[in-house]
Amino acid sequence: DGGITQSPKYLFRKEGQNVTLSCEQNLNHDAMYWYRQDPGQGLRLIYYSQIVNDFQKGDIAEGYSVSREKKESFPLTVTSAQKNPTAFYLCASKSTGELFFGEGSRLTVL
Amino acid sequence: KNQVEQSPQSLIILEGKNCTLQCNYTVSPFSNLRWYKQDTGRGPVSLTIMTFSENTKSNRRYTATLDADTKQSSLHITASQLSDSASYICVVPRSGTYKYIFGTGTRLKVLA
Repeated sequence: DGGITQSPKYLFRKEGQNVTLSCEQNLNHDAMYWYRQDPGQGLRLIYYSQIVNDFQKGDIAEGYSVSREKKESFPLTVTSAQKNPTAFYLCASKSTGELFFGEGSRLTVL
Repeated sequence: KNQVEQSPQSLIILEGKNCTLQCNYTVSPFSNLRWYKQDTGRGPVSLTIMTFSENTKSNRRYTATLDADTKQSSLHITASQLSDSASYICVVPRSGTYKYIFGTGTRLKVLA
């Protein structure tokens, strides 16, 4: 089935460690997004990629990095520079204006 | 300022009852508005899209309305079921940009 796969579903990190969240899609969509979701807040854009080898910072990019080497893949690295990384992270791709979301990855910093 | 505001923040109803969720937006330029359903711990799933020219659209037990003059949308759920328990998120794309403006959602709980 076509869709977006995020992994891992749950991730625990010690302070000072970098972690990478995987996002893979087989929908053949060009545009992909990473959002962060915190309780009581709307989704906030971390990074956006319109096409392979191109990406732009979103509203809260500090402490995060991405790559887009393949159309299907858009991994997000949460670096030690991110001061409050505990959150639910959602990857999405876009087609004709509609966002299609993965199941999310919950990152907890110990 | 581009904003999407939803009300109520949370809602508890008994199974079989109806409810209406509200979304007010000030996003410009405007072309459409989407309602998403997000189960706890899962990704959001699109329920319906309302374009500028549409007033009402129904999808099974969900009926969405749009008033482009007052910049308001509503999502009416008929004969609620336990599986309707979720967060409902209103999303408005900024036409001509890559940005989407998200509401904070309404958390609905349906009790047996």
